Amino acid sequence: AQKITQTQPGMFVQEKEAVTLDCTYDTSDPSYGLFWYKQPSSGEMIFLIYQGSYDQQNATEGRYSLNFQKARKSANLVISASQLGDSAMYFCAMREIGTGGGNKLTFGTGTQLKVEL
Amino acid sequence: DAGITQSPRHKVTETGTPVTLRCHQTENHRYMYWYRQDPGHGLRLIHYSYGVKDTDKGEVSDGYSVSRSKTEDFLLTLESATSSQTSVYFCAISESLGREGLSEQFFGPGTRLTVL
Repeated sequence: AQKITQTQPGMFVQEKEAVTLDCTYDTSDPSYGLFWYKQPSSGEMIFLIYQGSYDQQNATEGRYSLNFQKARKSANLVISASQLGDSAMYFCAMREIGTGGGNKLTFGTGTQLKVEL
Repeated sequence: DAGITQSPRHKVTETGTPVTLRCHQTENHRYMYWYRQDPGHGLRLIHYSYGVKDTDKGEVSDGYSVSRSKTEDFLLTLESATSSQTSVYFCAISESLGREGLSEQFFGPGTRLTVL
């Protein structure tokens, strides 16, 4: 089974609108973290936001927020007030503490977001 | 930005030749990783290191070896390159584990490898 599932290969959003990128995960580890990365067309991987499994509140970083629903095993990324520069590939990733050392990440297949005027 | 460089940034080689990719960091981070990125697969972990001379396999380690003789350098070697190893390779680093044993990874710029 896929550990990280991103079901939206591509998304479009109008500039200044909010958009939600879906991410569901599968783990039996009670301790884990969920991460979102952005990859613009230039290719670099940019860390956006992180949520720990024991965090009581949803993580926020500027225009990015993580809608964490533990019972549903979802960790959706919400981008408010979309900008043209938000056009990129977005990856969800998970770190399971019980897998031992190394802080290894498992990535989803990504969602390509296109922001339109 | 985290100080991570990768060399070379682009390489074209022929099937059967050995290839070594280098990752260099200036952050003195303990953990270093090699991923490959392919369409439809996201990023997949090849090998990682948790200290000098301490390495372990990732999800797609067959055909790859690594070495870490210094904290700052992590080398990825394809002993005999195959066309299936055509990919974009990313190096990443992370600090010692932080809150709840979690910390983000910082990525290098990537190396585009083509095996003909």
